[in-house]
Amino acid sequence: QKEVEQNSGPLSVPEGAIASLNCTYSDRGSQSFFWYRQYSGKSPELIMFIYSNGDKEDGRFTAQLNKASQYVSLLIRDSQPSDSATYLCAVNVASNTGKLIFGQGTTLQVKP
Amino acid sequence: DGGITQSPKYLFRKEGQNVTLSCEQNLNHDAMYWYRQDPGQGLRLIYYSQIVNDFQKGDIAEGYSVSREKKESFPLTVTSAQKNPTAFYLCASRFRTSSYEQYFGPGTRLTVT
Repeated sequence: QKEVEQNSGPLSVPEGAIASLNCTYSDRGSQSFFWYRQYSGKSPELIMFIYSNGDKEDGRFTAQLNKASQYVSLLIRDSQPSDSATYLCAVNVASNTGKLIFGQGTTLQVKP
Repeated sequence: DGGITQSPKYLFRKEGQNVTLSCEQNLNHDAMYWYRQDPGQGLRLIYYSQIVNDFQKGDIAEGYSVSREKKESFPLTVTSAQKNPTAFYLCASRFRTSSYEQYFGPGTRLTVT
């Protein structure tokens, strides 16, 4: 069973701090990794994707990938109350189907 | 505006009735997906289609059916055989030649009583 694991949280950080969200996956053949943000009652929104080992930065967001450790993380710098949401990690299944496996999500609370 | 639309936003049905959820996209995406989300859980794949007139079962296909007669449309029918149909249903799509990033519609919240 291919799995993606996230700590459900909630992760609580003060406004302005760095929030660190973590995800581990079981399928060593996975090549593509995604972070989605989901506000309560809304659909997931793609915020970051990463394919290569190392860091990828986009504004206040940094995705980090370590394929050897089967670990992907999302850092949010200068966290804002508007960042409060559930963050879903998704990993592609090692096939040409385009299927993604989703973690259960980590709830982030940014306190003013 | 390009995007993925799902209708209706909220749907209420009595137990024993079949119900069809609509998903339409004008992004020219090839592949389309249906997921189910239950409270506090991640997304689980119901069905997916990579090309017109072809679709495959996902992890939880029992009690659901789909069709893909047009590239733009991928409706999902929740049948009376689905034992626990109340959930948030999400449709997604992507280009087949892309690196797997999927984009979601706004979702349909189905309540069956």
